Amino acid sequence: DIQMTQSPSSLSASVGDRVTITCRASQSINSFLNWYQQKSGKAPKLLIYDASSLQSGVSSRFSGSGSGTDFTLTISSLQPEDFATYYCQQSYSLPWTFGQGTKVEIK
Amino acid sequence: EVQLVQSGAEVKKPGESLRISCKGSGYSFTSYWITWVRQMPGKGLEWMGRIDPSDSYTDYSPSFQGHVTLSVDKSISTAYLQWSSLKASDTAMYYCAKTNYGGNSVQWFDPWGQGTLVTVSA
Repeated sequence: DIQMTQSPSSLSASVGDRVTITCRASQSINSFLNWYQQKSGKAPKLLIYDASSLQSGVSSRFSGSGSGTDFTLTISSLQPEDFATYYCQQSYSLPWTFGQGTKVEIK
Repeated sequence: EVQLVQSGAEVKKPGESLRISCKGSGYSFTSYWITWVRQMPGKGLEWMGRIDPSDSYTDYSPSFQGHVTLSVDKSISTAYLQWSSLKASDTAMYYCAKTNYGGNSVQWFDPWGQGTLVTVSA
């Protein structure tokens, strides 16, 4: 199985901060990397697919980059509604796997 | 509007059987795989498996193979996740999601159902 490792596991940030979350795959996954946001008590929501494609309707302050084994999710200016847990997920090979999550909290 | 609507919360005893459902609407149900994801209390997301509604072909994660069964009834655009003998460790939130695909074979989950909470307790 491909292991997905996110860092950090949690972070505290202020409104307006630039936030970067990293996801590393245990082997190359090309660009087959997606990012999801999950708010407390809610279903996950797709933010980014294919490493850098912004899902329709998602704010442009979210962006994704990377290929191979190293990927990043960037929030350019953190807003109150962005406090949530973020997961990366690879769809390169079965079984598909998720990172352990990064919880973004208010400083 | 594309949406997946899941069945309601369940409380079961160990050893009992259960089937939960996920009904798709607003799109061609047989054209997109359905994925199932587990989230144990306070934990992360785990991919369980996927099913092709057009022919019921399935792929399972090794972690779930033999413990759950995926099925569909395409006549009513509904996918199912079932257990024959529940354990306390099956207590979790279960999500279904429409599995989309791009030209380079990348696949992603959108939208997700609202989740079904399964509680297994004696």
